[in-house]
Parts: sequence; structure tokens; C-alpha cells
Amino acid sequence: EPEVTQTPSHQVTQMGQEVILRCVPISNHLYFYWYRQILGQKVEFLVSFYNNEISEKSEIFDDQFSVERPDGSNFTLKIRSTKLEDSAMYFCASSWTGTNTEAFFGQGTRLTVV
Amino acid sequence: QKEVEQDPGPLSVPEGAIVSLNCTYSNSAFQYFMWYRQYSRKGPELLMYTYSSGNKEDGRFTAQVDKSSKYISLFIRDSQPSDSATYLCAMSAGNNDMRFGAGTRLTVKP
Repeated sequence: EPEVTQTPSHQVTQMGQEVILRCVPISNHLYFYWYRQILGQKVEFLVSFYNNEISEKSEIFDDQFSVERPDGSNFTLKIRSTKLEDSAMYFCASSWTGTNTEAFFGQGTRLTVV
Repeated sequence: QKEVEQDPGPLSVPEGAIVSLNCTYSNSAFQYFMWYRQYSRKGPELLMYTYSSGNKEDGRFTAQVDKSSKYISLFIRDSQPSDSATYLCAMSAGNNDMRFGAGTRLTVKP
């Protein structure tokens, strides 16, 4: 069964450092997303990506965040200068449709900023 | 009023029981309603989605949407211990900004 894969499963970084979270979406999907879930809180939408550009982003997705599809398979989330409050589980998702109604999620990357 | 409200539970039922999970919402623009299941330390897994009002059934799962009351439900029939997980409701207005509930932790006891 096709699945969204994310690496690494856990990343520890020092405050102020840059991190790149990686995702391989399902191969025939066209829409890609990043969400985050701070421990004990709701899953929150960060950004959607289609046709090699951001299609939508939330107020959380500020200038310290960026996304990229560097090749035909990977989809990355970069956090330029991490803060303590960036500690969360980050989920990548992909879908065939643009309405996000059938988004398939990866296992997540747990980011810990110390 | 929170945009999406979901009782976090925990909810504990015996095996074979009918489980009812609910969410309320305040944004009348929401048109797509999803239910996700999330096992511990895993990503959300899509169970069902419904467009606008009405019912949708898939095996032991039934999703209901009542837009007039801004209330959605997920029913699980003949619940199994393997159904033990956190259930997340999610909804969107047709854009990509999907809003999630807090999740209800369900335990089905053998």
C-alpha cells in the first residue's frame, strides 16, 4: 500500500539552528501539505504546495519557514532559525485532489529544539 | 467559541459496544468533514470524509453531518480493541486550511 514517508523520525536541534524535514509523498499525488502538532494540542495546518509553488499558508507559516520540492519525489520543510516553541510533531501529507479531503499523512517527525 | 470543539475524553467502552464521537463547529463556511484515527506516535489516518450534510457508511463506521446544528458524528458499531486510538474530526471550507478538533481518546476493552 502506498504511503507517505518522513525522515528523520526524531530530530534534536539547538535553538537558532536550521533544520530540514523531509518527506516523500505518494507518487501520483499532486498536492502536498505540512502540518504540525505541538504536544497536547491540535493538529495545525502550515502550508499547502501545488505545481511547484505554495498554494496556501497559515499565519503560523512565517518567514522562518520555507518549503521546496527539490526533485520529483521529495518535499521538504525548512525552518531557518529554530525556536523553542517550534518543538512539535511535524506531519507531511499528500493528496490527489486539491480539497484536502483525502489527505494521507506520514508518520511524522518529532522536532525537539533545545 | 472555539472553531472546532471535540470532547477529549477519555472514552472507555466494552468490546462490541456502539461508540459515538462528536464535534461541533462555529464556522458555517465548512463544507468538508473528515474523521481521522491516530494511533500513538503515528500520523493521522483518514477514515471517512463527507461533503455537506448527510450520512455516509463504510463498514462498521458511519459519519453524520448536520450543518443546521453545526454538529458532526462518527459511529463505530461492534467496536473492537483494535479501534482503541485517538479520533480526530477535521473540516475545511474547500480550501487547504483544514481545522482539526482536539481528538477523543477511545479505549475498547476486551
